[in-house]
Amino acid sequence: RKEVEQDPGPFNVPEGATVAFNCTYSNSASQSFFWYRQDCRKEPKLLMSVYSSGNEDGRFTAQLNRASQYISLLIRDSKLSDSATYLCVVRPFQKLVFGTGTRLLVSP
Amino acid sequence: GAVVSQHPSWVICKSGTSVKIECRSLDFQATTMFWYRQFPKQSLMLMATSNEGSKATYEQGVEKDKFLINHASLTLSTLTVTSAHPEDSSFYICSARASLGTSGTSYEQYFGPGTRLTVT
Repeated sequence: RKEVEQDPGPFNVPEGATVAFNCTYSNSASQSFFWYRQDCRKEPKLLMSVYSSGNEDGRFTAQLNRASQYISLLIRDSKLSDSATYLCVVRPFQKLVFGTGTRLLVSP
Repeated sequence: GAVVSQHPSWVICKSGTSVKIECRSLDFQATTMFWYRQFPKQSLMLMATSNEGSKATYEQGVEKDKFLINHASLTLSTLTVTSAHPEDSSFYICSARASLGTSGTSYEQYFGPGTRLTVT
């Protein structure tokens, strides 16, 4: 079983739509959680950290459920520029563990 | 935010040759640097963790004699792919971790732009 599992997608949505991605992780010792964004042939870039209380950054909302070992990312009012691969990342110790990513395609 | 550079950004080499990739933290000191590899449509896989002045710690399945890592200073780490073969063709990304705050704990990790290696 992979340490971090994500639906690879792609998720095809029209501009303005709301889309949600989910992720599960296997290591209950994980202490930190993140969503990264990766554009084609580029390095991953931190989108937001994820906290147990849930957190929001503009159109992006992240949630963490430690009991279920489940993380989510909600994107509201999708923009064309949101098209990318979204990586769920956990840190059980001092190392980051990446999911394979969920690809999002936002169309006009 | 902090900046990490990698050089070269892409390289094509012949099978059997060696390739060196440099990773530099430009505006901070990185006591720890990480090397990742990403094959198409796959996740980033950690290859090794490098601490300045000491030997790198390699992940299971990564050959330390094939992927030589040197972290000679707080701003530079190098990865050398020795005797490269076509199956080594991949996107290699480094990441540097800075020390933050008075507690000295390190959490932020900054990624370089990656190096695309193609072995023919």
